[in-house]
Amino acid sequence: DIQMTQSPSTLPASLGERVTINCRASRGISNNLNWYQQKPDGTIKRLIYYTSNLQSGVPSRFSGSGSGTDYSLTISSLEPEDLAMYYCQQYASSNTFGAGTKLELK
Amino acid sequence: EVQLVESGGGLVQPGRSLKLSCVASGFTFNNYWMTWIRQAPGKGLEWVASITNTGGSTYYPDSVKGRFTISRDNAKSTLYLQMNSLRSEDTATYYCTRDDVHYGLDYWGQGVMVTVSS
Repeated sequence: DIQMTQSPSTLPASLGERVTINCRASRGISNNLNWYQQKPDGTIKRLIYYTSNLQSGVPSRFSGSGSGTDYSLTISSLEPEDLAMYYCQQYASSNTFGAGTKLELK
Repeated sequence: EVQLVESGGGLVQPGRSLKLSCVASGFTFNNYWMTWIRQAPGKGLEWVASITNTGGSTYYPDSVKGRFTISRDNAKSTLYLQMNSLRSEDTATYYCTRDDVHYGLDYWGQGVMVTVSS
């Protein structure tokens, strides 16, 4: 099984700040990586698919990058509605998720 | 608009059974694989089961294999999860997701809570 190590687990940030969340796979996943946002009410939506493709309707301040085993999600300028949990997911072999990053206000 | 609406959750005793349903709309259901994901209280996301678009093949992690059964009725655009021999560790919110095989899970339902407790 492919393990996903996500960091940090908690990310305190200020509004307007640029933030980055990282994910490392236990082996290469050939860019088969998605990023999801979960709001406090439990609603989950996909932000980024196949490493760097922006889901329709998602603001352009979100971006993804990476290759091989290392991937990242960046928010260029933090907005209040971005305070949420974020998960990476690999789908190269079955489905496994990172443990999540809680993005909170500093 | 893609919509996935789960139902069937609730409180159940250990060892008993429960069946979840997910009604899909806004897309051609029989063109897509479907997947159940769960989230235990305060925990992360865990893959539970997947099914091909025809229902001809199903996939499970070891944690539920032999106890859970995923199925679908394409005529009713409905996905199911039959859960038997439930354990306390199965307590979670269960999400129905549309599985784009090439690009992973693209749409999620709102989730349904299952509590296994005596």
